[in-house]
Amino acid sequence: DSGVTQTPKHLITATGQRVTLRCSPRSGDLSVYWYQQSLDQGLQFLIQYYNGEERAKGNILERFSAQQFPDLHSELNLSSLELGDSALYFCASSVDTTGPYEQYFGPGTRLTVT
Amino acid sequence: AQSVSQHNHHVILSEAASLELGCNYSYGGTVNLFWYVQYPGQHLQLLLKYFSGDPLVKGIKGFEAEFIKSKFSFNLRKPSVQWSDTAEYFCAVNANFGNEKLTFGTGTRLTIIP
Repeated sequence: DSGVTQTPKHLITATGQRVTLRCSPRSGDLSVYWYQQSLDQGLQFLIQYYNGEERAKGNILERFSAQQFPDLHSELNLSSLELGDSALYFCASSVDTTGPYEQYFGPGTRLTVT
Repeated sequence: AQSVSQHNHHVILSEAASLELGCNYSYGGTVNLFWYVQYPGQHLQLLLKYFSGDPLVKGIKGFEAEFIKSKFSFNLRKPSVQWSDTAEYFCAVNANFGNEKLTFGTGTRLTIIP
């Protein structure tokens, strides 16, 4: 158990819908990262938040957005879902930016778009 | 931009065989290097990491990796594999000036035959 929690574990939804994935980082960790794992793209970085502020963006679609709340949990919002958005979405956390530090991964949310 | 290459996509070994998985990275500056393992249906777990110092690093479960700067490589090794090592292995890199996103290789699926 890494200490990073993600809910829900599985999500099945239809095309065009909107979903929210939730992540709680390890206690004391200020940075949260979102990654997408799919068969064709592999593991891709989406976005990073540090202490409530967006810090870096990767290959994140405009239909996707994220935020980090004052209690440091983070949510990834995926809208106008397409079949190709089906993937495993991982959240990771690390302690600070004055690193280096390793990232600890949550169990992931498996999203299936039908 | 950083990139990571894992040339072995699927490796099949018998128990007690020795293992070496290749990882090469491309980046112009100083890097942090990681190996993560993903057991079937589970999240990514950190096997080992290199930040600085001794280029031969030891991780959990008997794994080790050697950083060879001149070859931009960080190969993973284990002298004698077990059936329980069956998993997917990911090499990852981030820039060594803070907590940056991880760039992952495409992964190597390791199957150990009892």
